[in-house]
Amino acid sequence: KAGVTQTPRYLIKTRGQQVTLSCSPISGHRSVSWYQQTPGQGLQFLFEYFSETQRNKGNFPGRFSGRQFSNSRSEMNVSTLELGDSALYLCASSRDRDVAFFGQGTRLTVV
Amino acid sequence: GNSVTQMEGPVTLSEEAFLTINCTYTATGYPSLFWYVQYPGEGLQLLLKATKADDKGSNKGFEATYRKETTSFHLEKGSVQVSDSAVYFCALSGGGYSTLTFGKGTMLLVSP
Repeated sequence: KAGVTQTPRYLIKTRGQQVTLSCSPISGHRSVSWYQQTPGQGLQFLFEYFSETQRNKGNFPGRFSGRQFSNSRSEMNVSTLELGDSALYLCASSRDRDVAFFGQGTRLTVV
Repeated sequence: GNSVTQMEGPVTLSEEAFLTINCTYTATGYPSLFWYVQYPGEGLQLLLKATKADDKGSNKGFEATYRKETTSFHLEKGSVQVSDSAVYFCALSGGGYSTLTFGKGTMLLVSP
């Protein structure tokens, strides 16, 4: 059974640009959550989608957004990138209210 | 709100030594508790979980017991291996597993 797939694995962007990250969940999983991991702040919850609806949201500015498609694949978008957005972005999928399985992450570097 | 506190690292041990990584939590209600492990350059892997008080989660020689009276979920292993070197995260979820609150992580370094 394939795991959670995140693309791309690495990204380098310039300040002010926008970026879109993609996550394909495990087959049959309808919940997708996103986390930001940085050395200073650790792992922080961004948002969760279930059946194409945002079900929960963390404490991040509106520049961070996401969506989920009918096949449960999810994307997150960060607009007007700042240097502080450099991080590992992790996606996790689960059945509804079940254990979360994580992808390998997308390493975003903003220069 | 929910929070998780785990011991600072790195924890440095010799192979076959006993491991304890402390984790305490603050949460409303009855959270589920998890330990995840992250190897270099990788995402998080679920190591073990416990969903109610006095439950013991175990996997690959690692164990942790959900102690509600002390709000703790300490990770233990009787004999560590070099391959256990990684960062370990304690986490909780309340009202559903989809939103996890993580501790800062503890790096474990095991030398031969």
